[in-house]
Amino acid sequence: KQEVTQIPAALSVPEGENLVLNCSFTDSAIYNLQWFRQDPGKGLTSLLLIQSSQREQTSGRLNASLDKSSGRSTLYIAASQPGDSATYLCAVHSGGGADGLTFGKGTHLIIQP
Amino acid sequence: GAGVSQSPSNKVTEKGKDVELRCDPISGHTALYWYRQSLGQGLEFLIYFQGNSAPDKSGLPSDRFSAERTGGSVSTLTIQRTQQEDSAVYLCASSFAERDSEFFGPGTRLTVL
Repeated sequence: KQEVTQIPAALSVPEGENLVLNCSFTDSAIYNLQWFRQDPGKGLTSLLLIQSSQREQTSGRLNASLDKSSGRSTLYIAASQPGDSATYLCAVHSGGGADGLTFGKGTHLIIQP
Repeated sequence: GAGVSQSPSNKVTEKGKDVELRCDPISGHTALYWYRQSLGQGLEFLIYFQGNSAPDKSGLPSDRFSAERTGGSVSTLTIQRTQQEDSAVYLCASSFAERDSEFFGPGTRLTVL
């Protein structure tokens, strides 16, 4: 059974810093990996999707990398802003069957102004 | 364009009552997913629909849960004889095709008293 772990569970940094969020998964046979952000009381917003054949994806100040063989992904946020404060969730589609995403429990990020 | 919509946004019910949650996916999206987010438990996959195909119900937590999707569009998740442990936020997502980027609705917060 696929398990997804995110480290750290919480992170607080001053505005302007670059930061890295980590995600690991136990079964490397994934189809793709998706990063989301969730704001309090809201649904999820998709940030980046990386296919299993890809190494990284970039969107603005966000860069996500994938090392499928070692079961790891990182989300890099450059020049952090207070508006980046949210919970960041990593999720994978496993390779077999018609299942939904398996999610980690998230990293709660606070950017201090 | 319209995103995924869910109704009601909040539902408070008494233990033992039945509830019905509705999801309207993005127009043209063939895949539809239901998830549950419980406090401290993270996001849990429940069921997936691809077009008009019969879903795999093995992810539903008990036989009190059922779901249907009419005409390959709107979906309803029904919980019979609700229990307090059913209290959670129920999230619906849709994607253009299986395992594409998933777009989430705002969720239905269910409270069972």
